[in-house]
Amino acid sequence: DAGVIQSPRHEVTEMGQEVTLRCKPISGHNSLFWYRQTMMRGLELLIYFNNNVPIDDSGMPEDRFSAKMPNASFSTLKIQPSEPRDSAVYFCASSRDGNQPQHFGDGTRLSIL
Amino acid sequence: DQQVKQNSPSLSVQEGRISILNCDYTNSMFDYFLWYKKYPAEGPTFLISISSIKDKNEDGRFTVFLNKSAKHLSLHIVPSQPGDSAVYFCAASGAGGTSYGKLTFGQGTILTVHP
Repeated sequence: DAGVIQSPRHEVTEMGQEVTLRCKPISGHNSLFWYRQTMMRGLELLIYFNNNVPIDDSGMPEDRFSAKMPNASFSTLKIQPSEPRDSAVYFCASSRDGNQPQHFGDGTRLSIL
Repeated sequence: DQQVKQNSPSLSVQEGRISILNCDYTNSMFDYFLWYKKYPAEGPTFLISISSIKDKNEDGRFTVFLNKSAKHLSLHIVPSQPGDSAVYFCAASGAGGTSYGKLTFGQGTILTVHP
């Protein structure tokens, strides 16, 4: 079975540019989560969706960040404009139900110069 | 305010011995706990979980113990193998409302198993 698929694996861009991270959850999973991992703050939840609807976006750092889930098999996390402090590894995860173990993708390593 | 804490940044163990990784939490609403393992350049992989109605859950070489009164859980790996060398994350979630499914992670413990 295919796991959670994230693209791109690496992204390097200059500050001020728009960045779009993509995620394809595991088929049949109805919950999707976006996380950010940094040395200072560890793994922190940004936003999660249930049945394509955003349930909790309290972890989204500021208005520059937005996330969408137009259908059950695709989600995007967008940063516009990007800043150097957004540099981190961004993970997407999905689960069959909100309280079941989450399965993670391999992440996108984002570097903002 | 860190609600899930892994106070040991690293642990070194000899192959064949027991590895014990510890985790403390402060939020009494947490009722579901998980352990994840992470290799470099990969996402965390689910290992084992435990519900607050239990105090022990076992899966092969991995056992998780939960002490609710102490707000403490631990992961035991017996016997430890070199392939177990990775970063281990403890995570917790609460029941109901917008907390449903929302995981709070500890900072991780780097486990090194020496041959």
